[in-house]
Amino acid sequence: DVQLQESGPGLVKPSQSLSLTCTVTGYSITSDYAWNWIRQFPGNKLEWMGYISYSGSTSYNPSLKSRISITRDTSKNQFFLQLNSVTTEDTATYYCARHYVGYYAMDYWGQGTSVTVSS
Amino acid sequence: DIQMTQSSSSFSVSLGDRVTITCKASEDIYNRLAWYQQKPGNAPRLLISGATSLETGVPSRFSGSGSGKDYTLSITSLQTEDVATYYCQQYWSTWTFGGGTKLEIK
Repeated sequence: DVQLQESGPGLVKPSQSLSLTCTVTGYSITSDYAWNWIRQFPGNKLEWMGYISYSGSTSYNPSLKSRISITRDTSKNQFFLQLNSVTTEDTATYYCARHYVGYYAMDYWGQGTSVTVSS
Repeated sequence: DIQMTQSSSSFSVSLGDRVTITCKASEDIYNRLAWYQQKPGNAPRLLISGATSLETGVPSRFSGSGSGKDYTLSITSLQTEDVATYYCQQYWSTWTFGGGTKLEIK
């Protein structure tokens, strides 16, 4: 069964970088799918942040393009989110999820990890 | 960016009711529309993709319809386990979500 699990610090200081890991089991991140980061703000708005595809190509939400980087470690079947220069507006629950390459819905999601940006 | 609008942020419903949740896109999204269910503390769960295709394991009381800019999610005979927040999402051009519709029991 496909499972995704987010991990990382729950508290980040303003102006620092937020770094999260998504560990995937039951499916290779080098096969067929794209691997996304999505966040949900307090108040429940959902925002797609970006993805890294099975081939290693990336696509980012233009609203984040200058601050975001998504990379991967294929040997560990993990992919990563780095968001630079965070502010309190980046406080959210962060989810990783997959979609079939192209434009498709997200069929498997991690359980989410809460990140608070605060000094 | 394509904007997705769910006109009702919450509904009070009774068990056994038929419920219809609406979603409107800011432009034609050619049926590239998904519906998700989210319960407190959980990730969104994909229910319907392609506007009408039910995902494996989703009860048949859920159905989707619509075209162009306008889409609906229907639940016939609401069950206790259906009490949740429902989000639409377009994937015609990147991915954007509606604001959600929360179902509450009267």
